[in-house]
Amino acid sequence: GESVGLHLPTLSVQEGDNSIINCAYSNSASDYFIWYKQESGKGPQFIIDIRSNMDKRQGQRVTVLLNKTVKHLSLQIAATQPGDSAVYFCAENIRGQGGKLIFGQGTELSVKP
Amino acid sequence: KAGVTQTPRYLIKTRGQQVTLSCSPISGHRSVSWYQQTPGQGLQFLFEYFSETQRNKGNFPGRFSGRQFSNSRSEMNVSTLELGDSALYLCASSLQGQPLGNTIYFGEGSWLTVV
Repeated sequence: GESVGLHLPTLSVQEGDNSIINCAYSNSASDYFIWYKQESGKGPQFIIDIRSNMDKRQGQRVTVLLNKTVKHLSLQIAATQPGDSAVYFCAENIRGQGGKLIFGQGTELSVKP
Repeated sequence: KAGVTQTPRYLIKTRGQQVTLSCSPISGHRSVSWYQQTPGQGLQFLFEYFSETQRNKGNFPGRFSGRQFSNSRSEMNVSTLELGDSALYLCASSLQGQPLGNTIYFGEGSWLTVV
């Protein structure tokens, strides 16, 4: 099916370090991007979003960067904590396709205490 | 305020049977989407409903169908179940059909096992 690709399927970091999760997308018509966090046995939880007319957006301990030239998205988590351990998905919405989201395959983040 | 509620949370069905899953969106939300999540294919879009009308449909066979009621609650049905339909089925809701500026929230999902 359709999918947004991810560079790294797993990422292991030390508690307190910064984490960077990457995502590539392929559709130039995508104008909205979202990062979700999914813990085991739960549904995806919204983290942060960004519109295509922005390059960067910051939230609490998280920053999303968008590079439209190379169709690349990244999620930066500052001072990673054990509670950040989860699978992270990027998702894109293509202009004109309503609420349909195309998800990447996901990156599993493991935080070592 | 209550989140997206999906029922049942877990169910086991036999090949050839059919199943109906239910989703209650966040109060006031009019857009409901369904996704299938499997280890091999990840999260894949099934369909989206807005004000009782199907707005988008993913690349799934006709055995997968859905509907939305006037109170925005939604159901999806899978007929003639196959082993490959075993998955986590996720429902998501948002205030309006366009996600731009309208956060999309997910439920905890319904785990379907086909034996």
